Amino acid sequence: KAGVTQTPRYLIKTRGQQVTLSCSPISGHRSVSWYQQTPGQGLQFLFEYFSETQRNKGNFPGRFSGRQFSNSRSEMNVSTLELGDSALYLCASSFEGFGNEQYFGPGTRLTVT
Amino acid sequence: DQQVKQNSPSLSVQEGRISILNCDYTNSMFDYFLWYKKYPAEGPTFLISISSIKDKNEDGRFTVFLNKSAKHLSLHIVPSQPGDSAVYFCAASAINDYKLSFGAGTTVTVRA
Repeated sequence: KAGVTQTPRYLIKTRGQQVTLSCSPISGHRSVSWYQQTPGQGLQFLFEYFSETQRNKGNFPGRFSGRQFSNSRSEMNVSTLELGDSALYLCASSFEGFGNEQYFGPGTRLTVT
Repeated sequence: DQQVKQNSPSLSVQEGRISILNCDYTNSMFDYFLWYKKYPAEGPTFLISISSIKDKNEDGRFTVFLNKSAKHLSLHIVPSQPGDSAVYFCAASAINDYKLSFGAGTTVTVRA
């Protein structure tokens, strides 16, 4: 069974631009979550989608948004990029999202200059 | 605020000995706990989990202990192997919360 895939793997953007990251979950998984990892901060929860509905959202500004498609693939968008948005963005999928282990993709490394 | 805390940023252990990683949490609504392992340039991989109705769960060399009254859990790795050198994250979730809260991670180095 193929794992979680994320594209692109690496991205360099300048301040003020916007970026879209993509995540394809494991086949059959309906829940997709996004996390931001920065040095010393662990993983910070961004949002979770299940069957195209956002069920939970973390404490991030409105510049961070996401969506999920009918095939469970998900995208996240960050508008008006700031230097502090430089991070590893991880996507995780699970069957139902709660009580199930989440399986992570390799992440997208975003650098904002 | 950080609801899951891993107070030891790093741990060095000799090959063959026990590695003990600790994690504390503050949210009494958490009822499911997980440990993840992460190598550089890879996403975290699931190691072991425990439900709040248990106080111990074993899987091969990995054992997780949960002390609900102290809001504390620990991961024991016995024996430690060089391939165990990685960053370990403790995570927790509450029912119907649909998210994991992670600690900041502990970097484990296994010395030959």
